[in-house]
Amino acid sequence: DAKTTQPPSMDCAEGRAANLPCNHSTISGNEYVYWYRQIHSQGPQYIIHGLKNNETNEMASLIITEDRKSSTLILPHATLRDTAVYYCIVRDPTGTASKLTFGTGTRLQVTL
Amino acid sequence: DTGVSQDPRHKITKRGQNVTFRCDPISEHNRLYWYRQTLGQGPEFLTYFQNEAQLEKSRLLSDRFSAERPKGSFSTLEIQRTEQGDSAMYLCASSLAINEQFFGPGTRLTVL
Repeated sequence: DAKTTQPPSMDCAEGRAANLPCNHSTISGNEYVYWYRQIHSQGPQYIIHGLKNNETNEMASLIITEDRKSSTLILPHATLRDTAVYYCIVRDPTGTASKLTFGTGTRLQVTL
Repeated sequence: DTGVSQDPRHKITKRGQNVTFRCDPISEHNRLYWYRQTLGQGPEFLTYFQNEAQLEKSRLLSDRFSAERPKGSFSTLEIQRTEQGDSAMYLCASSLAINEQFFGPGTRLTVL
């Protein structure tokens, strides 16, 4: 699976949009971009995933650049409960390796 | 609650003792994964099962570690002769085929 690069930390004011970037310049054609988050002392939580089109669900939006070398996770109205470590992972779900390869993620701090 | 459950949530043991953790996946999820997470790091893959078959094991899974999923439902992870370096959060996840993985709350192991 391709490696990803994320900033180690970010701050966001409550109510504002949080935009979390991820670089995955070596992504291959079969690999999807997945986002998980981990709130302190809990297991990771699935947020969203996509291949090349932008995706939106009730939690977030995922914007993938046309060349697929980077993406941005958008939390449209961040709340204090969104404070967590956010992991960007690229993975080929149809490959023989089913594992998720986590990096160190981005620690998002949402403040009043 | 129909999510992934893990038991116990916390385990303190003395070096050299054996410990066993249990994971109950989401019903009908045929894939089950074990990960380990140390402080400040993202989760690291240990092993995964498809139904009762253990299909992949990480090099992190030394011969002191053994995992089973005897009936393709719950799974156990046993660590024999624990060492202080085994102290970590042990996470279980499940998925339906190649779909997204859902994580349990984890078992925090402390080896004294």
